[in-house]
Amino acid sequence: DAKTTQPNSMESNEEEPVHLPCNHSTISGTDYIHWYRQLPSQGPEYVIHGLTSNVNNRMASLAIAEDRKSSTLILHRATLRDAAVYYCILQGAQKLVFGQGTRLTINP
Amino acid sequence: DTAVSQTPKYLVTQMGNDKSIKCEQNLGHDTMYWYKQDSKKFLKIMFSYNNKELIINETVPNRFSPKSPDKAHLNLHINSLELGDSAVYFCASSQGQGIGYGYTFGSGTRLTVV
Repeated sequence: DAKTTQPNSMESNEEEPVHLPCNHSTISGTDYIHWYRQLPSQGPEYVIHGLTSNVNNRMASLAIAEDRKSSTLILHRATLRDAAVYYCILQGAQKLVFGQGTRLTINP
Repeated sequence: DTAVSQTPKYLVTQMGNDKSIKCEQNLGHDTMYWYKQDSKKFLKIMFSYNNKELIINETVPNRFSPKSPDKAHLNLHINSLELGDSAVYFCASSQGQGIGYGYTFGSGTRLTVV
């Protein structure tokens, strides 16, 4: 399973944009890039995923580097409800392999 | 309507007992999964089923036996429970074979073995 590297923790302020980085230098051409988040005492929640092009949905945007060796999850305007652990996952097979993720703290 | 529902939400039981956790999805997805999250918060896949067929079995002790009576249900039976089985178990589902699709997770079953 291809590996991702994320910062252990990040902090941001409410109503500001948040950019969560993820490095995946060993990504293969068919690996999808997934982002999930897990709020305290809840199950993981799908955020966004993509293959090569940038993706937008109602929750976030996913910016994928041209060489695909890194990606950034963008929360456009953070709220206190966005405080969670965010997981960046490469999916090349029929499973998601979770790493440690980034614990995002949002300051009021 | 809950998309992926698990029962029970909490389960406290003694060592050596046998217990089951049930999972149902109403999304029409073809693939279902069981994940385990231990006390260190690592999420690890245990099993996946596609249209009732076992696809992934990730070196889980054979005390754990998944059963999929139809593609909307995936149950997990655990025999001879051990202290180390204490964890939160999450069920999930996805479309197709699961590649290139988002997963929907249930809210988890917290199993405590005493």
